[in-house]
Amino acid sequence: DIRMTQSPASLSASLGETVNIECLASEDIYSDLAWYQQKPGKSPQLLIYNANSLQNGVPSRFSGSGSGTQYSLKINSLQSEDVATYFCQQYNNYPLTFGSGTKLEIK
Amino acid sequence: EVQLVESGGGLVQPKGSLKLSCAASGFDFNSYGMSWVRQAPGKGLDLVADISSKSYNYATYYADSVKDRFTISRDDSQSMVYLQMDNLKTEDTALYYCTVPNYGGPYNWFAYWGQGTLVTVSS
Repeated sequence: DIRMTQSPASLSASLGETVNIECLASEDIYSDLAWYQQKPGKSPQLLIYNANSLQNGVPSRFSGSGSGTQYSLKINSLQSEDVATYFCQQYNNYPLTFGSGTKLEIK
Repeated sequence: EVQLVESGGGLVQPKGSLKLSCAASGFDFNSYGMSWVRQAPGKGLDLVADISSKSYNYATYYADSVKDRFTISRDDSQSMVYLQMDNLKTEDTALYYCTVPNYGGPYNWFAYWGQGTLVTVSS
């Protein structure tokens, strides 16, 4: 199984800051990576697919990058509505696997 | 607008059974695979099962942890997907989400998610 290691596990940042969340795959996943945002008490929502493609309707302050085994999600100009847990997911091979999540809070 | 409405969750004893249903609307159901993803309380996300579209021969996948206990199925005429869960274990306790992958076949990201239905396995 491909293991997805997310870091950090939690993050506290100020409004307007830029934050980065990392996801490390245990083997090359060839950019078959998605990012999701899960707000408290809500279902996950797709943010990014194919490592760097923005899902329709997602604000442009979210961006994804990476290749091979290393990927990141960047949030520019942090807003209060970005408080959530963020998950990465690989779909290069079964079982499709998720990272353990990064909980983002406002400082 | 894509809508996914799950139902069928509840409290069940170990070794019992439940059948989850998901009513889908707002997209061409026949052209997409469907998946069930679960989230144990306070935990991460796990793909439980998925089923491809007719174009991909309704191929199915099951996580090792549920193989031979769970069965995913779909009714294209009703835009419904089901998850029959038998021989339930306490570790199956979770919120079960119905999700729509990005196309009809396997190897997907999950474009849309329902609100989830809670399954609690406890004596």
